[in-house]
Amino acid sequence: ILNVEQSPQSLHVQEGDSTNFTCSFPSSNFYALHWYRWETAKSPEALFVMTLNGDEKKKGRISATLNTKEGYSYLYIKGSQPEDSATYLCAFAGSGGSNYKLTFGKGTLLTVNP
Amino acid sequence: DAGITQSPRYKITETGRQVTLMCHQTWSHSYMFWYRQDLGHGLRLIYYSAAADITDKGEVSDGYVVSRSKTENFPLTLESATRSQTSVYFCASTLASRGGEQYFGPGTRLTVT
Repeated sequence: ILNVEQSPQSLHVQEGDSTNFTCSFPSSNFYALHWYRWETAKSPEALFVMTLNGDEKKKGRISATLNTKEGYSYLYIKGSQPEDSATYLCAFAGSGGSNYKLTFGKGTLLTVNP
Repeated sequence: DAGITQSPRYKITETGRQVTLMCHQTWSHSYMFWYRQDLGHGLRLIYYSAAADITDKGEVSDGYVVSRSKTENFPLTLESATRSQTSVYFCASTLASRGGEQYFGPGTRLTVT
C-alpha cells in the first residue's frame, strides 16, 4: 500500500490570510500528482494534475508546485476567502500497471473565517 | 443529462442482503473507479476498470463485485452487506489523458443495519 501523507490535517485561517499545505508521496515510480478540492456535501473536483518535476500550476489564487525527486507537493492559497473552505486532497499515480489508479491522502480541511 | 450519475443517492439495507450501486457516465471515458469514503481513511479505491470487460481490484475489494459490460456503466455489488460497509460510495471516471484527471459522481450514502 502506497503512503500518501498530507499535512496539516486541518487548518483555520482568517479571511485574507495566505496559506499552504503539503503532500508527500513515494519518490519512485512517479507518474502524476493530483490535487482535488472537496466541498462539504459535494464531490471532489480536480484542481491540478502535475506530471513533471518542477511543475508549477496556477488557477486564480490557488497554485501548486511539484518536487518528484524528493516526493512532495505544496498547494498555496493566496488571500483566502470563506468560499475556499473545503477539504483539499492530493492523490498519487504511480507508473507501471495502471497510471490512472490513484492513491489519495486523507486531506487537509481548510476553514476560512470571515 | 451529461456527466456522471449515481443511483440510488441514499440506501438503507440490512446485514446479509445483496445491494447494487449504479454508476453511469455519458462521456465515453475509458476508465471508471469506485471509492469509499470513511472518517479517518479518506477515499479508498475499491475497484477500477480500464475498459468494458476489464476490471481490477483496488485497496479494499473484499466483499464487493463489479462488472462492466458497457463502457458507460460500472455497477458495484455488495454480495452480502455487512455493517462495516456502511459508507459513502463515489464513482469516478477519466478519459486517461491530461494526466488522468478524475470526474466524480455525487455519491451514494449506504447504511447497513
